[in-house]
Formats: sequence, C-alpha cells, structure tokens
Amino acid sequence: DTGVSQDPRHKITKRGQNVTFRCDPISEHNRLYWYRQTLGQGPEFLTYFQNEAQLEKSRLLSDRFSAERPKGSFSTLEIQRTEQGDSAMYLCASSPTSGNTGELFFGEGSRLTVL
Amino acid sequence: TQLLEQSPQFLSIQEGENLTVYCNSSSVFSSLQWYRQEPGEGPVLLVTVVTGGEVKKLKRLTFQFGDARKDSSLHITAAQPGDTGLYLCAPRSNDYKLSFGAGTTVTVRA
Repeated sequence: DTGVSQDPRHKITKRGQNVTFRCDPISEHNRLYWYRQTLGQGPEFLTYFQNEAQLEKSRLLSDRFSAERPKGSFSTLEIQRTEQGDSAMYLCASSPTSGNTGELFFGEGSRLTVL
Repeated sequence: TQLLEQSPQFLSIQEGENLTVYCNSSSVFSSLQWYRQEPGEGPVLLVTVVTGGEVKKLKRLTFQFGDARKDSSLHITAAQPGDTGLYLCAPRSNDYKLSFGAGTTVTVRA
C-alpha cells in the first residue's frame, strides 16, 4: 500500500498523559499536513510542513502540541498533558509540490480518546 | 477570514432518491474541491472546480461552480447506500492549504 499511513489508529489515554502520533506520507510527497476533526465536523488545519520545515501553525496548535518532520519524510504529532477537549480524529495528509493539482491525500486518521 | 457554509448539515434519504448539498461563502474562490469521507476513513477527493459556471459530472454526481465563484453545489442522482458519507467542500486559500467546511452528513437508506 503506497498511501498515507498513520499509527496508531486508535489511542485511549487518561487526562494528563502524553501521546504521540506518527504519519508516513506518500514517499514522493514533500508537503505534509496535520488536521484535527471532531465528530460531524470538517477537518481543521493544524500545521504544514514543506520537507522538514514547519511553515505554518494554526492558533489551534497550543503549546501542548508539537509536530516534527526531522528528515522530511515521516512526521510525528505529540500532545503533552492531554485534556478531554483533545479527543478527536487527527488526520495526516500529503501532497506533491511538482505537478500539484491541489489534491490532498489523507491517511485514515488516528482517533484519540482522552478519559 | 473566509466564512464557509455547507448546507444542510444532515441529510437522510431513501435509496433511489436525489439530493443536493450546497457550499456557500461571502468570498470568491480561486478554486474549490469536493471531498467525501466515509466513516472511519480520511477524506477522498471527488472533484476540483476552477471556472465560474463550470459543471462537472462524475457518474451520478454533478458538481456546479457558481458564476461568481462564491458557491458550489453537489447533486447526486438515484442515491445508493455507497454514497453515504460526509461531503466536504474546501476552497483553496493559498498555494498549499485547504480549509474545509463543516460538511454535510449524507445517509442513504437501503
């Protein structure tokens, strides 16, 4: 499978714990995005990477959130001291720069439940 | 800030019926994409519309882009249970980022 993969698919944690999600984009895509989605709503933009550089962060990305893409390939999204309001689906997407049609290719998401 | 509205929020219909969902904004879009998201999956691109007045067809789905490029609609003919999902519109806000509407949840009952 050469699509975007995310791990884990589901995570249940207690309030105050730290969690980390991983995203492996499509290999030739140098753009990578994180979105957050709550039930019945559209995805909300969190952050964007071009290769290893984090070029934009949403105001939604509080100080407890950090995202990295150290080698310009996979990316991690860490949430520290989780709160119940962090419960959501975290979606990763990638896209190419060259020949870019504007399409984002999404993974299946990592669903976080904070108890 | 661009205000994007999708309507209706929820739609439940019987198999074989037709449906239309809408995406409206006060701003002009350079282009707009429609995605469908099935339960437990990520969104998947259905179509991109670029030109005002454009109509695109994808099997039983017909997409229209308003003449002023501020609105768009998606019409499904003879809906099937496989059409069930969250339909999202997403105008391009800049070179690289998509901003999604809240979506329309469509349920097609067999």
